[in-house]
Formats: sequence, C-alpha cells, structure tokens
Amino acid sequence: GQNIDQPTEMTATEGAIVQINCTYQTSGFNGLFWYQQHAGEAPTFLSYNVLDGLEEKGRFSSFLSRSKGYSYLLLKELQMKDSASYLCAVRGSNDYKLSFGAGTTVTVRA
Amino acid sequence: DVKVTQSSRYLVKRTGEKVFLECVQDMDHENMFWYRQDPGLGLRLIYFSYDVKMKEKGDIPEGYSVSREKKERFSLILESASTNQTSMYLCASRPGLAASPLHFGNGTRLTVT
Repeated sequence: GQNIDQPTEMTATEGAIVQINCTYQTSGFNGLFWYQQHAGEAPTFLSYNVLDGLEEKGRFSSFLSRSKGYSYLLLKELQMKDSASYLCAVRGSNDYKLSFGAGTTVTVRA
Repeated sequence: DVKVTQSSRYLVKRTGEKVFLECVQDMDHENMFWYRQDPGLGLRLIYFSYDVKMKEKGDIPEGYSVSREKKERFSLILESASTNQTSMYLCASRPGLAASPLHFGNGTRLTVT
C-alpha cells in the first residue's frame, strides 16, 4: 500500500523559517508534489521534485531524497498569508493515482 | 489560468437521494479526477477519467459512479446518498502528461442527513 506521513500541525512566527517534512513508502516512485491549501479554498500547486536535491522558488524550496523516501518543504521569511495547509503527494507506479498525505496545517503568528 | 468550476459550493441532501456533482474545466485537459477530502485522511481518489468516455476506479469508488460525455465536463454521481458520504468533494484536471500538476476546483461541501 501507500503510506505518506507528515506532521499534523506546525506554528511559527512571522519572518521565521519553517520546514515541513514528508516521508513516504509507496509502490514505485515517479515524483513528489507539494500543494498549498488555504481554508475553504482549492489546493494550489507549489512544487514538483523528481530528482534528488533542492528546488528553489522564491521563498519556498522543496527537497527530495529518493533513497530515504523523504522530502521537505521549506518556507522562508514567513508571512501571515502563508497560514494554510500544505499537502505532500507522491506519484507512484500508476501515473493517475497520486497518494496524498493528510496535510500539515501551518499557523503563522505575529 | 486554468479554471476548474464545480457547480455547487454547498449541498444538503437526504439519505437515499441520487446526487449529481458537476465539474467543468476550460483548458482542454485530457485527465479529470474526483477526490474526497476528510479531516485526518487527506485526499482520496474516487474516480478518474483519462479521456472522453473513459473512466477508471480510484481507491474508494464504492457508492459512486462517474460520467464523462464531453472533454470539459466530469460528473460524479452518488447513486443513493448515505451519511458516510458527507464530505468535501474536489474535482481536478490536468493535461495528459503525468508530471503535470493537478488544477483543483473550489470544492463542494456535501452534507447527507
């Protein structure tokens, strides 16, 4: 089966850095997505990793280690608008079936 | 920008009713998906369609069916609604390339009483 684990909640202060970890055990691996979902809204795409290493996009970076079954999303210079749920999703051997983690709710405090 | 539109934001239905959830996308995407989202469980795939009139079961298809008669529209049908189908339903689409990200609609909050 598919198993995607990420912390349930994290809290951080405005301007700080937060790292959201995601570990996975899946049937095959063909890439990992991160999505952001504000309360009551649709998930929106943040990043996609298929090779090991760090992908940087402005204040957000995503890292992947395929040998460890591990990824993290790094949010720098936190802003209040970054308060949201962050979803880790793995593309396994079936191209149509993404396996999602339960999501990590990040709360940014002033 | 891709737009995925779900016809209803909130729905309240009675047990045993037949329920239709509609989804339309405007970017000529080949693939469309229906997920449900429940607290602590993440998104779970109900059904997907990789092309017009083509459909495949996802991980939790029981109690649901789908229809895709036109490329832009993907309907989810609850044949006989039950209380355990109370959930947030999310539609998504993407181009045919598997590495493409999903584009989600805003969701339909369905309550079955």
